Amino acid sequence: DGGITQSPKYLFRKEGQNVTLSCEQNLNHDAMYWYRQDPGQGLRLIYYSQIVNDFQKGDIAEGYSVSREKKESFPLTVTSAQKNPTAFYLCASRRGDTTTDTQYFGPGTRLTVL
Amino acid sequence: AQSVTQLDSQVPVFEEAPVELRCNYSSSVSVYLFWYVQYPNQGLQLLLKYLSGSTLVKGINGFEAEFNKSQTSFHLRKPSVHISDTAEYFCAVPLQTGANNLFFGTGTRLTVIP
Repeated sequence: DGGITQSPKYLFRKEGQNVTLSCEQNLNHDAMYWYRQDPGQGLRLIYYSQIVNDFQKGDIAEGYSVSREKKESFPLTVTSAQKNPTAFYLCASRRGDTTTDTQYFGPGTRLTVL
Repeated sequence: AQSVTQLDSQVPVFEEAPVELRCNYSSSVSVYLFWYVQYPNQGLQLLLKYLSGSTLVKGINGFEAEFNKSQTSFHLRKPSVHISDTAEYFCAVPLQTGANNLFFGTGTRLTVIP
């Protein structure tokens, strides 16, 4: 089955630790996205990538980093510089660079800082 | 930049009753609009999208939305809801014409009461 997988589903982190969230897609999509979801705030864009080895900051990139070494993979690292990382993180992908293309979402990772 | 406003954060409705979830957009040019649904602890799934043509757009699960240019609205409707429609619904618009990134509204939580 084609789709987007995110792992782990739940993640707990101690303050001061970096953690990496995995996102893999087998849809052969060029573009990939990371969003953060907090209650009552909708989705906010962290980073996006239109093509391998290239990525751009979104609205709330501070304290996060990404890489795009392979078309299928777009991992997100939450660094210790992110002051309030507890949230639900969603990865998405899209076929190309056309505005009307649908974004497909993974099931999400819930990160909790202890 | 384009944006959307979802006026209702929560909408409770009895099973088999009709429902309307409101979305207003701000744009002075041609606009594409999307509705996504998020079931508890899951990613988002596209319900429907308006690109051009007929202003009444039909989506999955019996939902439909009407694009109203004079009122700058794109309200989502269903004539008879089911318990399984309990979810959060997001309206979205490209950040600007031709942009690859979406601006998501803050969401409306639909609760269907048996």
